[in-house]
Amino acid sequence: GENVEQHPSTLSVQEGDSAVIKCTYSDSASNYFPWYKQELGKGPQLIIDIRSNVGEKKDQRIAVTLNKTAKHFSLHITETQPEDSAVYFCAKSGYALNFGKGTSLLVTP
Amino acid sequence: NAGVTQTPKFQVLKTGQSMTLQCAQDMNHNSMYWYRQDPGMGLRLIYYSASEGTTDKGEVPNGYNVSRLNKREFSLRLESAAPSQTSVYFCASSDWLAGDTQYFGPGTRLTVL
Repeated sequence: GENVEQHPSTLSVQEGDSAVIKCTYSDSASNYFPWYKQELGKGPQLIIDIRSNVGEKKDQRIAVTLNKTAKHFSLHITETQPEDSAVYFCAKSGYALNFGKGTSLLVTP
Repeated sequence: NAGVTQTPKFQVLKTGQSMTLQCAQDMNHNSMYWYRQDPGMGLRLIYYSASEGTTDKGEVPNGYNVSRLNKREFSLRLESAAPSQTSVYFCASSDWLAGDTQYFGPGTRLTVL
């Protein structure tokens, strides 16, 4: 499938700081961009998504921005807490979802 | 409402053995998917079923077969397991009426010796 590049692969922040994860893609057809959180030993769980007709979406401490012209989208987590520690995946729509390789986020108290 | 369930949770096979991974969803979704997850590789699509009665290959289908038994169930079969198939396998389902959001099962951790 079409690649989704995700950066960084690991991210360590102090509790209360913000965390930003960025993804880029190459095709123009995608119109749905979800973000998943995966805790150890569990399946990925959707935390927020955005469609191509909007540029930003917020849900409490989590926000996603999309720039369709530049073909990149980002996840922003504010006021991070230790329970935010997990692996985060970006994805884009195709005939299924194409996933980035993941970002391991560690929030230290 | 259990969502997406998978069995077994863990499995160890010897090279050449066969097995079937089971997946079921109770959300009345039309589409179902099988992914594998390997360290540093993200999730890669093995097969998917857009609707009952149809199946299609994904990115990494070699060595696998699938069956969409009915609307609820989608199984993944390894006919002759190889060490390269050691992975964590996830099943997911979605429906355009639910906004195409994919809901994932808890996974099956498979080791092939």
